[in-house]
Amino acid sequence: EVQLLESGGGLVQPGGSLRLSCAASGFTFSTYAMFWVRLAPGRGLEWVSSLSGTGGRSWYADSVKGRFTMSRDNSKNTLYLYMNSLRAGDTAIYHCAKGQCSGGDCYRPPDFWGLGTLVTVSS
Amino acid sequence: QSALTQPASVSGSPGQSITISCAGTSSDIGNYNLVSWYQHHPVKAPKVIIFEDTKRPSGVSDRFSGSKSDNTASLTISGLQAEDEADYYCCSYAGGGTLVFGGGTKLTVL
Repeated sequence: EVQLLESGGGLVQPGGSLRLSCAASGFTFSTYAMFWVRLAPGRGLEWVSSLSGTGGRSWYADSVKGRFTMSRDNSKNTLYLYMNSLRAGDTAIYHCAKGQCSGGDCYRPPDFWGLGTLVTVSS
Repeated sequence: QSALTQPASVSGSPGQSITISCAGTSSDIGNYNLVSWYQHHPVKAPKVIIFEDTKRPSGVSDRFSGSKSDNTASLTISGLQAEDEADYYCCSYAGGGTLVFGGGTKLTVL
């Protein structure tokens, strides 16, 4: 059974940093691209970033480019999102999501999501 | 990276059918057969109900169907049930490693 469990969310001041983690199980983690997607209050889902199975290729939404970094440790089946220079507009529930097809470089919309972790940016 | 356009809300009575549209561009919806639809109940994880424009994952009711014409995808739910009340999001592959989502549609079952 596929499981994705996010952690690391919390309250942080504007300009601060946070690291999110996503522990994966139930599938061969290293062979799937992974995603972070966020859901902000009053707004819809927003794609944040994508990462290849090896971790060698990454893509970011313009709204987070240069501030967020996605990485993975395939030996620990864990995905990360490093968030710097956080702004009020980054307040959201952050979901990690599993790619739809194996091969490492398949970026079709995800087929499985975690419950998410809440990030609140406020002074 | 502009969001796909969905109606903010739709409603229907039990047993009726509703359709949710998702308008994109020739760079996303119109360029790939890779639209997925997600059902999202509050405090739950989003669940895929349609992938590759029209395909239904195993275990998803056949009351859910997807279609596409040019740059617009659509989700139809037939035989509405109370448990269908949720938020629905479309998502399209947009090239490279990028995705684009719709703003979401709140379905109310009257």
